[in-house]
Amino acid sequence: GAVVSQHPSWVICKSGTSVKIECRSLDFQATTMFWYRQFPKQSLMLMATSNEGSKATYEQGVEKDKFLINHASLTLSTLTVTSAHPEDSSFYICSGGWGDGYTFGSGTRLTVV
Amino acid sequence: AQSVAQPEDQVNVAEGNPLTVKCTYSVSGNPYLFWYVQYPNRGLQFLLKYITGDNLVKGSYGFEAEFNKSQTSFHLKKPSALVSDSALYFCAVREGGSYIPTFGRGTSLIVHP
Repeated sequence: GAVVSQHPSWVICKSGTSVKIECRSLDFQATTMFWYRQFPKQSLMLMATSNEGSKATYEQGVEKDKFLINHASLTLSTLTVTSAHPEDSSFYICSGGWGDGYTFGSGTRLTVV
Repeated sequence: AQSVAQPEDQVNVAEGNPLTVKCTYSVSGNPYLFWYVQYPNRGLQFLLKYITGDNLVKGSYGFEAEFNKSQTSFHLKKPSALVSDSALYFCAVREGGSYIPTFGRGTSLIVHP
């Protein structure tokens, strides 16, 4: 089946630094990748939808200059959290559209100190 | 617009008993329906989906779900719960003309020994 590999699994960074999260589709071409943020014991909040070779579409209230999404190839999409602050600490999950459904990365736990 | 509701934040069931996790949806056209399971600090794992065909859909780990068009429901069921089934369950829906899914808020399933 379709597999999305997400790295890193967890990261701790200092306030003001930037962090990049990568999602790779290993055995399929992900034309579309979704990026979610999840708070403890809560549902997924869609941050943006990225399409290969074009600009990402951000959901209302998501700062595009802070959460940079790049989908330069059919197998790689990245989310960069720029100038991270403690309030950006969260669980970030990517998901690739595949067939009629979706396959998810394993998530990245970001802690900003 | 598409929406999905999971009316229960938590479901408790004894091991060996049947379990049901409820989901209702709203779409303009034909629904694509999904169930995913999430274990702590992990991404979402696909359980099953309904696109068309038989109303009773069988999925992974012994789970099944029944599509009920008149009640706009897609409840997740399992005849005999296991302690290892304890996790967070998400129902998702999308309309046939959309590729962006909408997720429910999640239901925490706790199976007691």
